[in-house]
Amino acid sequence: AQSVSQHNHHVILSEAASLELGCNYSYGGTVNLFWYVQYPGQHLQLLLKYFSGDPLVKGIKGFEAEFIKSKFSFNLRKPSVQWSDTAEYFCAVILYSGNTPLVFGKGTRLSVIA
Amino acid sequence: KAGVTQTPRYLIKTRGQQVTLSCSPISGHRSVSWYQQTPGQGLQFLFEYFSETQRNKGNFPGRFSGRQFSNSRSEMNVSTLELGDSALYLCASSVGQGMNTEAFFGQGTRLTVV
Repeated sequence: AQSVSQHNHHVILSEAASLELGCNYSYGGTVNLFWYVQYPGQHLQLLLKYFSGDPLVKGIKGFEAEFIKSKFSFNLRKPSVQWSDTAEYFCAVILYSGNTPLVFGKGTRLSVIA
Repeated sequence: KAGVTQTPRYLIKTRGQQVTLSCSPISGHRSVSWYQQTPGQGLQFLFEYFSETQRNKGNFPGRFSGRQFSNSRSEMNVSTLELGDSALYLCASSVGQGMNTEAFFGQGTRLTVV
């Protein structure tokens, strides 16, 4: 069965530190890839998405992610985190064909301390 | 443009009761998916509907059911509630599934079973 793995359950960083959150998936075939963010008390919002083309995609709030097809990975990065980035981050994958549902990883909780 | 609307926002039910949750997708969106979110488990896929047909179903017991109406609105029902059903239930809508479309999420319904 298709699965999505997020390597870190909880990450704690100081402000201005760099961030990288890992995401690996087990699908074969063409995929659409997403990172969603859930700020405390708010609904899930799309951070960025990869459909095709340049494997380095940029999203909102300075986030970016790199799709490495050979490694089945889609890691999220940010050069310098802020306190307001404290949230839970979810990686999600769906087959381009749409024959499978959008499947999420278990999420990574990011805590940014001043 | 209105977002995905879920009602009610909060529910408290007793074990053994049943509950119905509602989701109104973004206008023009024909695909609706439901997820159960619990701490540490991330978002677990329940089911997906497209044009009133269930296209995918997750690994949940038969107590969990859903349907979609001709106007794309969707409901999910949980019968014989158990304590473990306490969770945030999220609805997502999209134009289609896969094929370079993205899912938009509602605020969720927080179900507490006592």
